[in-house]
Amino acid sequence: EPEVTQTPSHQVTQMGQEVILRCVPISNHLYFYWYRQILGQKVEFLVSFYNNEISEKSEIFDDQFSVERPDGSNFTLKIRSTKLEDSAMYFCASSELEATGELFFGEGSRLTVL
Amino acid sequence: AQSVTQPDIHITVSEGASLELRCNYSYGATPYLFWYVQSPGQGLQLLLKYFSGDTLVQGIKGFEAEFKRSQSSFNLRKPSVHWSDAAEYFCAVGPLEYGNKLVFGAGTILRVKS
Repeated sequence: EPEVTQTPSHQVTQMGQEVILRCVPISNHLYFYWYRQILGQKVEFLVSFYNNEISEKSEIFDDQFSVERPDGSNFTLKIRSTKLEDSAMYFCASSELEATGELFFGEGSRLTVL
Repeated sequence: AQSVTQPDIHITVSEGASLELRCNYSYGATPYLFWYVQSPGQGLQLLLKYFSGDTLVQGIKGFEAEFKRSQSSFNLRKPSVHWSDAAEYFCAVGPLEYGNKLVFGAGTILRVKS
């Protein structure tokens, strides 16, 4: 069964460092997303991406964040200068169509900022 | 603004007993509603979704949910719980015209005792 894969599963970094989280969406999917879950809090939408551009982003997704689809398979989330409050589980998701709600999520990348 | 409330943080049921997980939402129009499950170390998996039509929807793993507009609820049920159902369950609402920007509840952790 096709699945969304994320790497790394866990990353520990120092405050101020750049972090790149990687995702390989399902191959025939066209819409890509990042969500995050701070420990003990709700899963929150960060950004959606379609046709090589951001289609929507939340207020959380400030200038420190960026997304990219550098090739035909990877979808990355970059945090330029990490802060303590960026510590969270980051989920990548993809969907074939926009209006189905059928998001397929990866297992998540846990980011710990020290 | 949309919001989702899952009033129960933890629920413990005996194996074989019935289960109901509560979800209430706040949304200005008819929402699209979802239940996701997250097993330890796994990503979010879609259990079922409601878009329109029959208010009782069937999902995977023997789960069902009923949309009640008058109560703004979308409770998840299962007639007989199995130990493998132990996981965290998330209710979500989405205005899909905005590109799968789902709003999640805080989650309910289900424990199953034998």
